[in-house]
Amino acid sequence: SQTIHQWPATLVQPVGSPLSLECTVEGTSNPNLYWYRQAAGRGLQLLFYSVGIGQISSEVPQNLSASRPQDRQFILSSKKLLLSDSGFYLCAWSGSFGGLGANVLTFGAGSRLTVL
Amino acid sequence: GQQLNQSPQSMFIQEGEDVSMNCTSSSIFNTWLWYKQDPGEGPVLLIALYKAGELTSNGRLTAQFGITRKDSFLNISASIPSDVGIYFCALYGGSQGNLIFGKGTKLSVKP
Repeated sequence: SQTIHQWPATLVQPVGSPLSLECTVEGTSNPNLYWYRQAAGRGLQLLFYSVGIGQISSEVPQNLSASRPQDRQFILSSKKLLLSDSGFYLCAWSGSFGGLGANVLTFGAGSRLTVL
Repeated sequence: GQQLNQSPQSMFIQEGEDVSMNCTSSSIFNTWLWYKQDPGEGPVLLIALYKAGELTSNGRLTAQFGITRKDSFLNISASIPSDVGIYFCALYGGSQGNLIFGKGTKLSVKP
């Protein structure tokens, strides 16, 4: 069965410091991968998605970047964090054989980032 | 872009009561999804709807895909404390399976 892992689960960083959140998927190949951000415990905003190694699409221009160095690895980064980067970051994957219907997203447990 | 309106924003109910929430879109879509997010966790898929008029149940949950393909509702019967969380509707808003989410309905259940 497919599983998705995100880490770290919680992170407290000072303004101006770098960021790296990692996401890996097991049990599937060539997944579509996504990074969402959730502010204030409510709406989900798509930040980046990737359909393959090295292929990144950005939905919202901002202080963050994403990379996909391996088929099942998706990394969210920042060189200098801002206060407004605080939030709950969710990685997700989808695939044609997700078992729940074509292209249904399955989410990781999330990474809570607090920028002070 | 597509507008997705979800209501109500929040609900405070007594254990045992039934709950109803809905979403409407400005455009026609072929798939409606309902997710639940427990506090501090990632959203989990509850129900997926693929056909206009489709009515699907998952335990105490029932969801319907509106005939006009612009709306959907989710009902929860006989609510229990573990139903607490945020419920999201979602649609495919772009290429590569990107989901657009409603702003969520935050459900609180009083024992």
